[in-house]
Amino acid sequence: KNEVEQSPQNLTAQEGEFITINCSYSVGISALHWLQQHPGGGIVSLFMLSSGKKKHGRLIATINIQEKHSSLHITASHPRDSAVYICAVRSRHTGNQFYFGTGTSLTVIP
Amino acid sequence: GAVVSQHPSWVICKSGTSVKIECRSLDFQATTMFWYRQFPKQSLMLMATSNEGSKATYEQGVEKDKFLINHASLTLSTLTVTSAHPEDSSFYICSARDGTSTDTQYFGPGTRLTVL
Repeated sequence: KNEVEQSPQNLTAQEGEFITINCSYSVGISALHWLQQHPGGGIVSLFMLSSGKKKHGRLIATINIQEKHSSLHITASHPRDSAVYICAVRSRHTGNQFYFGTGTSLTVIP
Repeated sequence: GAVVSQHPSWVICKSGTSVKIECRSLDFQATTMFWYRQFPKQSLMLMATSNEGSKATYEQGVEKDKFLINHASLTLSTLTVTSAHPEDSSFYICSARDGTSTDTQYFGPGTRLTVL
């Protein structure tokens, strides 16, 4: 069992739809990151969370530490949001090691 | 915000040559840098952790003589893939930890290595 599980693995949405990507983890963490990886590989760090909620433009990230769960929401989705979204958690215990989810591949259709 | 850069962003080389990838923290001092490898459609896999001024710690199964890591300053770490072979073709990503005020980790954009 992976320390970080993401769902769904693949997601196709119509432009304008509200999108939610979920991340569950099983280790104690000091922080959780949401990363965006575009075709071609480049990685962009979207959010770093240790509690609560953060918003940046059309993106919202929430985390529930008690439930060990985080969600990434995209409002008014756009084709340029098409990418792989990766959840990564920084373990509080194992030397601050990162554990990565396998990613959610999002395709937004015009 | 803090930025981590990697150079080059992509490289193609012949089998048997060595390739050096640089990872720089642009506006903070990175006490620790991490190197990851990502195969197609898979998640990032930690290769090694490097602390400035000391030897890198390699994950199990990663050959330290194959993947040479140097963290010579608080803003630069290099990964050298020695005697590269086609199976080394992959996407290499570094991240840097700002161990000072925020203790935050920032990811670089990655380097795509193709070995012919």
